[in-house]
Amino acid sequence: ETGVTQSPTHLIKTRGQQVTLRCSSQSGHNTVSWYQQALGQGPQFIFQYYREEENGRGNFPPRFSGLQFPNYSSELNVNALELDDSALYLCASRNGGAAINTEAFFGQGTRLTVV
Amino acid sequence: AQSVTQPDIHITVSEGASLELRCNYSYGATPYLFWYVQSPGQGLQLLLKYFSGDTLVQGIKGFEAEFKRSQSSFNLRKPSVHWSDAAEYFCAVAAINTGNQFYFGTGTSLTVIP
Repeated sequence: ETGVTQSPTHLIKTRGQQVTLRCSSQSGHNTVSWYQQALGQGPQFIFQYYREEENGRGNFPPRFSGLQFPNYSSELNVNALELDDSALYLCASRNGGAAINTEAFFGQGTRLTVV
Repeated sequence: AQSVTQPDIHITVSEGASLELRCNYSYGATPYLFWYVQSPGQGLQLLLKYFSGDTLVQGIKGFEAEFKRSQSSFNLRKPSVHWSDAAEYFCAVAAINTGNQFYFGTGTSLTVIP
């Protein structure tokens, strides 16, 4: 079990609503990444935060936004929810910023269902 | 563009048999490669990683993987599969030039029969 915790574990929202997902990174980790995993697919990179600044973004529209707080926990916000946003959202934390050779630890994810 | 292909969507093996899961990557520079395992309803657990050096890397739970640059492959192997190995396996390549994001394959689902 990793030290990365995500909340809530499950969530049901209506199309057009907004949602906030939360991630507490492992102690000492300053980098948090978010991934979207649709059913039957591999995770897709949304964005990454390093020391409260976004330092990488995948091919997701601006209605996907995030924050990282001074304690390095993070939020993922999605506005104007669409049915295709239904997925498992994974958070990964590590220590290192631009350095890749540090292990990323994943949380168990938040299962978002948009109806 | 970076990408990962896992040709086998689903594999079934008998307990005690050997296993090889295939992974091919496309990346313009030296790749950083990973294998992750995901049990139902769980997050991803790192099995092993390759950054440089010895092309045969050892991981947890008795898994190993071999990096073959000429074939752009990073296949995962285990000599004797246990029932607890049943899970989804993902190969990933890390892209340093875009914030170290992981590019994941679509995964291989492993079923282990007694």
